[in-house]
Amino acid sequence: QKEVEQDPGPLSVPEGAIVSLNCTYSNSAFQYFMWYRQYSRKGPELLMYTYSSGNKEDGRFTAQVDKSSKYISLFIRDSQPSDSATYLCAMSDGFQKLVFGTGTRLLVSP
Amino acid sequence: DTGVSQNPRHKITKRGQNVTFRCDPISEHNRLYWYRQTLGQGPEFLTYFQNEAQLEKSRLLSDRFSAERPKGSFSTLEIQRTEQGDSAMYLCASSLAGQGADTQYFGPGTRLTVL
Repeated sequence: QKEVEQDPGPLSVPEGAIVSLNCTYSNSAFQYFMWYRQYSRKGPELLMYTYSSGNKEDGRFTAQVDKSSKYISLFIRDSQPSDSATYLCAMSDGFQKLVFGTGTRLLVSP
Repeated sequence: DTGVSQNPRHKITKRGQNVTFRCDPISEHNRLYWYRQTLGQGPEFLTYFQNEAQLEKSRLLSDRFSAERPKGSFSTLEIQRTEQGDSAMYLCASSLAGQGADTQYFGPGTRLTVL
């Protein structure tokens, strides 16, 4: 079993929809949680970084962490075609290695 | 552009050949990481440096792989006797050491194809 599980999708939504992306994990030592966006054949770009449980909002993006359930989410409001990409969750126990999910491919249609 | 840069962006080689990739981190960053990403998967950690010291290596990093960061600035990743299973995107990231997990900034990657 992988340490981090993420549905690979694809997830198809119409423009303007609210998107919910999720990851579950098994390692209770994870304390730092990130979401990266990756366009095709490009490197990952950091979107959100959160520590421990709680919510964090940045523009149209909201990250949620529920450590008791070992579950993290990324919400995208008012989704745009330019949001079409692969979204990777990543986690760390405070040491420097990041453990990534497989990524969820998101398609936002005009 | 002051982000992480990687060269070459693409490399095609024949099985059994050696290849070397270069990563130039963000200038003030003292930590540098290598990850490997295969199609449909997330990046997998290979190794990381703090300044010139290599502090952690994954068991994915077989003895055919070697990474260096000789002066604590740029880094090279060499793969000897390449195999078809080495075909992947090799990603470099850098960060500034701080408390907890650093924010890692990724480069565009080097895509390796082994024929």
